[in-house]
Amino acid sequence: DAKTTQPPSMDCAEGRAANLPCNHSTISGNEYVYWYRQIHSQGPQYIIHGLKNNETNEMASLIITEDRKSSTLILPHATLRDTAVYYCISKDDMRFGAGTRLTVKP
Amino acid sequence: EAQVTQNPRYLITVTGKKLTVTCSQNMNHEYMSWYRQDPGLGLRQIYYSMNVEVTDKGDVPEGYKVSRKEKRNFPLILESPSPNQTSLYFCASSPDRGSNQPQHFGDGTRLSIL
Repeated sequence: DAKTTQPPSMDCAEGRAANLPCNHSTISGNEYVYWYRQIHSQGPQYIIHGLKNNETNEMASLIITEDRKSSTLILPHATLRDTAVYYCISKDDMRFGAGTRLTVKP
Repeated sequence: EAQVTQNPRYLITVTGKKLTVTCSQNMNHEYMSWYRQDPGLGLRQIYYSMNVEVTDKGDVPEGYKVSRKEKRNFPLILESPSPNQTSLYFCASSPDRGSNQPQHFGDGTRLSIL
């Protein structure tokens, strides 16, 4: 089984921040957490990754709790094109679960 | 442009007719892998390769073969395809399994086995 768990679906209003949670309470101290997204049936697209510190890039921000048991991907201003399935995975596990289906609504 | 290229993108074939899905990457990556994706099951890893001539089974290897004769290529072989192998397949690569660089995915191959 995957080391990460995510809610199956979430909705977000266009223009608002989308906060996608991920639980990874069993990952080891040196395992990075990665986020990908998949739009329709395209290949998964890398978004961001982190280990302990919070990370930000042009696509999103990643907030990792101090105990590293969970993290949150933040899309600061969601658009309709951000509608996708979002996957949180750990580096050593590399198992993609069902992810979270984010629907951005107008 | 850095990319992972899969061919064919779509294939409809019949049970028992051997087929190969090719995967090629131009980033000199050591690590390559194959996934299949079925509705409601996410992506499941079939096989992976840490480097040339080094391959290992993933979570769902039954009915598949792979080879890694060159660093850039990692073909997926279905010796005797069956309808339960109808699926969407993705190839991916990354610099190496130990690095922290993310995987790059191909655009997918949709296989239908009749």
